[in-house]
Amino acid sequence: GAVVSQHPSWVICKSGTSVKIECRSLDFQATTMFWYRQFPKQSLMLMATSNEGSKATYEQGVEKDKFLINHASLTLSTLTVTSAHPEDSSFYICSARDYFSGDRLSGANVLTFGAGSRLTVL
Amino acid sequence: GENVEQHPSTLSVQEGDSAVIKCTYSDSASNYFPWYKQELGKGPQLIIDIRSNVGEKKDQRIAVTLNKTAKHFSLHITETQPEDSAVYFCAASNYKLSFGAGTTVTVRA
Repeated sequence: GAVVSQHPSWVICKSGTSVKIECRSLDFQATTMFWYRQFPKQSLMLMATSNEGSKATYEQGVEKDKFLINHASLTLSTLTVTSAHPEDSSFYICSARDYFSGDRLSGANVLTFGAGSRLTVL
Repeated sequence: GENVEQHPSTLSVQEGDSAVIKCTYSDSASNYFPWYKQELGKGPQLIIDIRSNVGEKKDQRIAVTLNKTAKHFSLHITETQPEDSAVYFCAASNYKLSFGAGTTVTVRA
């Protein structure tokens, strides 16, 4: 089945530094990837939609200059947390849609999720 | 936008009993309803999904039902086992997924 690899699985950084998280679709092409954020014991909140070859679409309240998204190829999207602060500490999860899967008639959007990246900002 | 509500927030069942989780959604345009299982420190894993043109789907011990008119869908787990203990999320999608708040399921041995 479809596999999404996310790296790093956990990272600790100092306040003010930037951290990059990679999301790769290993065995399929993903024209669209989604980035989520999850706080402890809470649900997943969509941050942005990453489209290959174009600018990401951010959800309301998400700072695009803070969370830089790049989707340069059909298998790779990156999320960079710039000038990270302790309040950015969270579990970041990406998901990808196999361009050739899903039900095109109904528009069903089958997503595969990565294992997540735990970010701790000191 | 889509609003998904999920109940209960926690569920404790005896091993072998059934577990039922219910969700409602607000956007009538949503046409895809997946259920995910998330274990501690891991990403969500799809366990079953249902599309808007289907009312019920079953996969071994797991089943999902969808009532489009009432805008609600449910997850049923039968013959629960300790390894079923996890957080379960429902979601609704019309391109973008909106998640419910999650249900922490504990199966008592």
